[in-house]
Amino acid sequence: EAGVAQSPRYKIIEKRQSVAFWCNPISGHATLYWYQQILGQGPKLLIQFQNNGVVDDSQLPKDRFSAERLKGVDSTLKIQPAKLEDSAVYLCASSSLSGKAGRELFFGEGSRLTVL
Amino acid sequence: AQSVAQPEDQVNVAEGNPLTVKCTYSVSGNPYLFWYVQYPNRGLQFLLKYITGDNLVKGSYGFEAEFNKSQTSFHLKKPSALVSDSALYFCATPMTGGGNKLTFGTGTQLKVEL
Repeated sequence: EAGVAQSPRYKIIEKRQSVAFWCNPISGHATLYWYQQILGQGPKLLIQFQNNGVVDDSQLPKDRFSAERLKGVDSTLKIQPAKLEDSAVYLCASSSLSGKAGRELFFGEGSRLTVL
Repeated sequence: AQSVAQPEDQVNVAEGNPLTVKCTYSVSGNPYLFWYVQYPNRGLQFLLKYITGDNLVKGSYGFEAEFNKSQTSFHLKKPSALVSDSALYFCATPMTGGGNKLTFGTGTQLKVEL
């Protein structure tokens, strides 16, 4: 079974520029998550999708971050304009059966963003 | 709010010795607890989880974890450490609001030395 795919793996941009990250979850997984992992910290949830609908975006900085999951499969996370503090690894994860707690999340390898 | 804490930033152990990575939890209701491992420049990999049942949970790569309700702990253990176990370990629990979204601890860097 193919895992969660993310691209690009690495991205370096100047502050105030924009960037987009792409994620393809495990086939059949209805739930998709974007996490932000700042160096030295644990991953922090940014947004959760169930199929193509947003379940939780309470921790997404909506003035600069946006995300979509058209057709309930692939997802894109965008940052515009980027700030220095956005330097982090952006992790995408997916899981099955969102309504039932206890299911593990499957993570992609992450997209490392450096903002200069 | 549901949370987990990892009191140690780093744990050092000699290869062949037993290892323990500590996690304590603050959860209302029945706790669901997870351990993940992260190797350099990689995503998080699931190791094991506690949902209900036996307090000793066995997982991948020879790891196990002991659930202790009275101490609100869920420590990760391995009887004999390998150099290849060196990685960053995260404890996690589902966030408030239900479902599978997880909140993570701050992580513990495990270093296994020859």
